[in-house]
Amino acid sequence: GESVGLHLPTLSVQEGDNSIINCAYSNSASDYFIWYKQESGKGPQFIIDIRSNMDKRQGQRVTVLLNKTVKHLSLQIAATQPGDSAVYFCAETNAGKSTFGDGTTLTVKP
Amino acid sequence: DAGVIQSPRHEVTEMGQEVTLRCKPISGHNSLFWYRQTMMRGLELLIYFNNNVPIDDSGMPEDRFSAKMPNASFSTLKIQPSEPRDSAVYFCASSLGVTGELFFGEGSRLTVL
Repeated sequence: GESVGLHLPTLSVQEGDNSIINCAYSNSASDYFIWYKQESGKGPQFIIDIRSNMDKRQGQRVTVLLNKTVKHLSLQIAATQPGDSAVYFCAETNAGKSTFGDGTTLTVKP
Repeated sequence: DAGVIQSPRHEVTEMGQEVTLRCKPISGHNSLFWYRQTMMRGLELLIYFNNNVPIDDSGMPEDRFSAKMPNASFSTLKIQPSEPRDSAVYFCASSLGVTGELFFGEGSRLTVL
């Protein structure tokens, strides 16, 4: 029969627009969260992190929001550029173990 | 600075053969992780080491998989015998401490025919 892979959410945005990528995590005991970016043929690369005692953290063009009540994480990318096109993963860490979400494919149209 | 170095980048082998993947972590990092990435399951943690000691190997699929870290600068992931369902990209990552940012290698793409 036909194999079925993960159905990755996709987000398509126009260059210059803001992007919001969402992630639901599962373990309420997770104490550290990271967003990674993976380009084709490469390993995931760190973008930004946030600890469980924070609800917002800003970097250069990126902001991460953490809502522990509903176990939700989001990544906001300002002024999205073609180079931002990639798969984005959130990861939750508990007791030294990082568990990755399924990923969201971001496509930026020039 | 050199990042995490993995070899081989690509490996094609036949079912039943032994496969050994290698990883050199970033110097000074004391935690090392092996992940497997497939379309079916995404990124799965197989095993991780802290100070060269295996801490959690609950993600290792079965006895055909084994991993070692004989010293702080080298780790191997071995599959014996390999099967077609082992086809995947295997990533090694290292970090400073167990809760830090993970630095990934470029991955080893394994195809088992």
